[in-house]
Amino acid sequence: EIQMTQSPSSLSASVGDSVTITCRASQSVGNYLNWYQHKPGKAPKLLIYAASTLQSDVPSRFSGSGSRRDFTLTISSLQPEDFATYSCQQTYSMPFTFGPGTKVEIE
Amino acid sequence: QVTLSESGPALVKPTQTVTLTCTFSGFSVTTPGMCVSWIRQSPGKALEWLAHINWDDDKHYSTSLRTRLTISKDTSKNQVVLTMTNLDPVDTATYYCARVMIVPGTAPYNYYMDVWGKGTTVTVSS
Repeated sequence: EIQMTQSPSSLSASVGDSVTITCRASQSVGNYLNWYQHKPGKAPKLLIYAASTLQSDVPSRFSGSGSRRDFTLTISSLQPEDFATYSCQQTYSMPFTFGPGTKVEIE
Repeated sequence: QVTLSESGPALVKPTQTVTLTCTFSGFSVTTPGMCVSWIRQSPGKALEWLAHINWDDDKHYSTSLRTRLTISKDTSKNQVVLTMTNLDPVDTATYYCARVMIVPGTAPYNYYMDVWGKGTTVTVSS
């Protein structure tokens, strides 16, 4: 089973800041890496799939990069609605696994 | 428009079996490339993938929970059902279903969960 780690586990930032979240897989997953945003009481939302493809209707301030074991999610100019938890997920092999999440909080 | 909605009992006693139903619209789970997964999130914990079913009825399960889970689909009702046996208080969580798509042309399949339901909360307590 592929293990996923994320760093940091939480961060504080201000509106307008650029933030970067990293995700690492325990073995290569190619580009089989997705990013989700979730907020309490709401359905998780797909942001990025295949490591760098922006899901339709997701603002362009979100971007993803990386391959094999190391990936990043960048939010270029944080907006109030972006304060949430972000999780990566590998779908290279079953069972699919999620990272532990990174909580982005208002500074 | 694609929508998914989870339903099931809110409260279950330890050792009991729970059946969760995902009712969806806007797609067919018999269309090649269409799949559904179940995922849960326990309070204060990370998302945990549970089970997955493909259009061709191929099924996959969480390694740690595979002996307790069964996933199936009822194409006539546009539903995917997850059954979990021998519940324990640690199974208290919000359970989500999600449509799973495949990036075209990928091998092995490159899956992603593009639309999620709002979740149903299951509390396991005596």
